[in-house]
Amino acid sequence: DTEVTQTPKHLVMGMTNKKSLKCEQHMGHRAMYWYKQKAKKPPELMFVYSYEKLSINESVPSRFSPECPNSSLLNLHLHALQPEDSALYLCASSQDRSKSPETQYFGPGTRLLVL
Amino acid sequence: GESVGLHLPTLSVQEGDNSIINCAYSNSASDYFIWYKQESGKGPQFIIDIRSNMDKRQGQRVTVLLNKTVKHLSLQIAATQPGDSAVYFCAENNAGNMLTFGGGTRLMVKP
Repeated sequence: DTEVTQTPKHLVMGMTNKKSLKCEQHMGHRAMYWYKQKAKKPPELMFVYSYEKLSINESVPSRFSPECPNSSLLNLHLHALQPEDSALYLCASSQDRSKSPETQYFGPGTRLLVL
Repeated sequence: GESVGLHLPTLSVQEGDNSIINCAYSNSASDYFIWYKQESGKGPQFIIDIRSNMDKRQGQRVTVLLNKTVKHLSLQIAATQPGDSAVYFCAENNAGNMLTFGGGTRLMVKP
């Protein structure tokens, strides 16, 4: 089973709202990732968690706040977003970043619209 | 044929024909490459991978070729079907086990 699940599928929020995106995997993977994807563009890496610790933050604005409560879950907390943050937010997981190289498996994404 | 411009490069093929999608990668130190398929409204789906010590790998109806001399990767799809219509991304795995994605190619299959 190579399934990564994400909720919600769609989200519309105002610039003053606080919302969270959720990601879950039950493959025993120890690395999880958040990507942002704009239309007609490839995914862009935002954050990487390895063994529940944040290992990479690709200079993402503080209005995006990741959280990894346990090895199966990854959240992305959103606050005071801008309309240009509207995008598809993808979660991915891989077995173990300390072992190279390896495949990342993606979830279906959350389509976010900021009004 | 292919078209490049303000939009995603697009490859249009007839159903039943073979498709070849190309990708140029940037880092000669990259040691692992993946092809993903992304259908409209969905996340990228793993298709096939290849390590840098190989130059060809075959899957079911798909073949990936790697030419390290010119840093070129290609995905061949045999007997293309309407369900193959999607955007295809190549990705290279480089330092720190990070993926860098190519720009993507849209494959359109005409019935």
